[in-house]
Amino acid sequence: GDSVTQMEGPVTLSEEAFLTINCTYTATGYPSLFWYVQYPGEGLQLLLKATKADDKGSNKGFEATYRKETTSFHLEKGSVQVSDSAVYFCALRIRGTASKLTFGTGTRLQVTL
Amino acid sequence: NAGVMQNPRHLVRRRGQEARLRCSPVKGHSHVYWYRQLPEEGLKFMVYLQKENIIDESGMPKERFSAEFPKEGPSILRIQQVVRGDSAAYFCASSPGDRNSPLHFGNGTRLTVT
Repeated sequence: GDSVTQMEGPVTLSEEAFLTINCTYTATGYPSLFWYVQYPGEGLQLLLKATKADDKGSNKGFEATYRKETTSFHLEKGSVQVSDSAVYFCALRIRGTASKLTFGTGTRLQVTL
Repeated sequence: NAGVMQNPRHLVRRRGQEARLRCSPVKGHSHVYWYRQLPEEGLKFMVYLQKENIIDESGMPKERFSAEFPKEGPSILRIQQVVRGDSAAYFCASSPGDRNSPLHFGNGTRLTVT
């Protein structure tokens, strides 16, 4: 079946540090890939997405590149802020269907001054 | 435009009672998804519905849980005879059904069973 594996958290960084959150996937079909962010007490918000190999999704300084050869979609940001503290979820959806999203377990990011 | 609206935000039930969770999708969205999030865990898919139809219920427990999305009105997730293990945050998401559209999530209903 389809699955997403994320690095375990929490990840604690100082403000302006470089962020990488690893995500790899297993899919029976050809997936679209997503990163969602969840702030405390809220639902999930789409952060970025990529729908085919070598696509780069980007938003708010975050980036992730769809790597088919390594089945990965790692999230990166060059300089994190305290306001980036949240839980980040990697997810996949089989491309071409209106099917469910399959999520990873989430990675909690804590950014300190 | 209003996003996905879930109510109530918090729901407390005693063991054995029924819980009803409501979800109004984004206007114009005809596809609804329910997910459950246990404390410090990821989101687990429960059920995917279109208007008046259940498309995928592979994540629904076989007993006590049911979901509907009627022609008119919100989607309802119903849990009968709740147990403490049902305590979780339940999230609803919607999409217009376009194959590459992302899901839009509500803020969730936090169910506590005492």
